[in-house]
Amino acid sequence: RKEVEQDPGPFNVPEGATVAFNCTYSNSASQSFFWYRQDCRKEPKLLMSVYSSGNEDGRFTAQLNRASQYISLLIRDSKLSDSATYLCVVNKDGNDMRFGAGTRLTVKP
Amino acid sequence: GAVVSQHPSRVICKSGTSVKIECRSLDFQATTMFWYRQFPKQSLMLMATSNEGSKATYEQGVEKDKFLINHASLTLSTLTVTSAHPEDSSFYICSARDLTRGGYNSPLHFGNGTRLTVT
Repeated sequence: RKEVEQDPGPFNVPEGATVAFNCTYSNSASQSFFWYRQDCRKEPKLLMSVYSSGNEDGRFTAQLNRASQYISLLIRDSKLSDSATYLCVVNKDGNDMRFGAGTRLTVKP
Repeated sequence: GAVVSQHPSRVICKSGTSVKIECRSLDFQATTMFWYRQFPKQSLMLMATSNEGSKATYEQGVEKDKFLINHASLTLSTLTVTSAHPEDSSFYICSARDLTRGGYNSPLHFGNGTRLTVT
């Protein structure tokens, strides 16, 4: 089993749709969690950190469920510009950061 | 916020030559930096962890003599691809964290990547 697993995707949704991604992690002692987006042929960019109580940034909501060992990302009112690959990153321990394989999202007009 | 700069952004070299890629943390000090490689339509693969003042830690399957890492200062790490071959053509990305902002809970910040093409 991979240490960090994401929904395989791809997700193809119309503009305005709500889409949710999940990411599970295997190490229950993992300390911190992040969502990144990566555009084609570009570096990953931090979308948001994921806090225990859940957090929201505009149309984006991230949640953490430690008991079930997963994090989620919800995107409301999808825009064309949201099309990207979304990466789940888990800080397993100290400098040990683990990446999911990424989920590709395409938002269509 | 924390900024990581990577240079060059694109390089084309001939087979057999060596290429050096620089990664700098611009507004923070980084005792640790990370180097990744990404092939088209594949996920990021961690190659090595660069440690200031000590040897880099390489992931399994990554040849340390081929991918030389030097963490010369608290703001600079370099990756040298030695005797490059066409199969080394890839997107190389570095990252670092500003541990003064949240310790090990701080996020990774990535350089803008280097697209290497070996002909």
